[in-house]
Amino acid sequence: DGGITQSPKYLFRKEGQNVTLSCEQNLNHDAMYWYRQDPGQGLRLIYYSQIVNDFQKGDIAEGYSVSREKKESFPLTVTSAQKNPTAFYLCASSPGQLLYNSPLHFGNGTRLTVT
Amino acid sequence: AQSVTQLDSHVSVSEGTPVLLRCNYSSSYSPSLFWYVQHPNKGLQLLLKYTSAATLVKGINGFEAEFKKSETSFHLTKPSAHMSDAAEYFCVVSDMETGGSYIPTFGRGTSLIVHP
Repeated sequence: DGGITQSPKYLFRKEGQNVTLSCEQNLNHDAMYWYRQDPGQGLRLIYYSQIVNDFQKGDIAEGYSVSREKKESFPLTVTSAQKNPTAFYLCASSPGQLLYNSPLHFGNGTRLTVT
Repeated sequence: AQSVTQLDSHVSVSEGTPVLLRCNYSSSYSPSLFWYVQHPNKGLQLLLKYTSAATLVKGINGFEAEFKKSETSFHLTKPSAHMSDAAEYFCVVSDMETGGSYIPTFGRGTSLIVHP
């Protein structure tokens, strides 16, 4: 079955450490997105990528970095510069620009706790 | 620029009674509109979408939504709530912004509580 896989489901880190969240899709989608979810704030866009080797900052990119070396993969690194990294992180994909009204497909998320 | 406002952060209903989750949007173009559902600690699942065809859109699990351009609304309804409907619901607007980017904008979510 096609879909998006996020790993791990739960992640614990000490403050000051960088951590990388994995996102893989086998839907052959061009576009991929990272969202952060906090209670009562909905989903906020961190980074997005419309094609391989290209990505753009979203609304809350500070303290995060991404890469898009392969179509299937869009890992997110939460750096020590992110002041409040504890959150639920969701990865999504869509076919991309030519099908702009297509819905997003989501992974099941990674819950990151930094202490 | 696009935006979306979900008018209620929480909605509480009894099982078997109707559900109404309200959403208003703002868009410079002809938007696509979506409703998603999220169960605890899960990703989001598409309920339904509007993409300039019929204004009354039917989705999964008995949900439907009506696009009203004059009111810039896209409210989600269901005739009879089920316990399994208890979840977080998100309204999403998407249009082609300046530069041709397609960036969906999410509402803050409405938590649906269903009482036995």
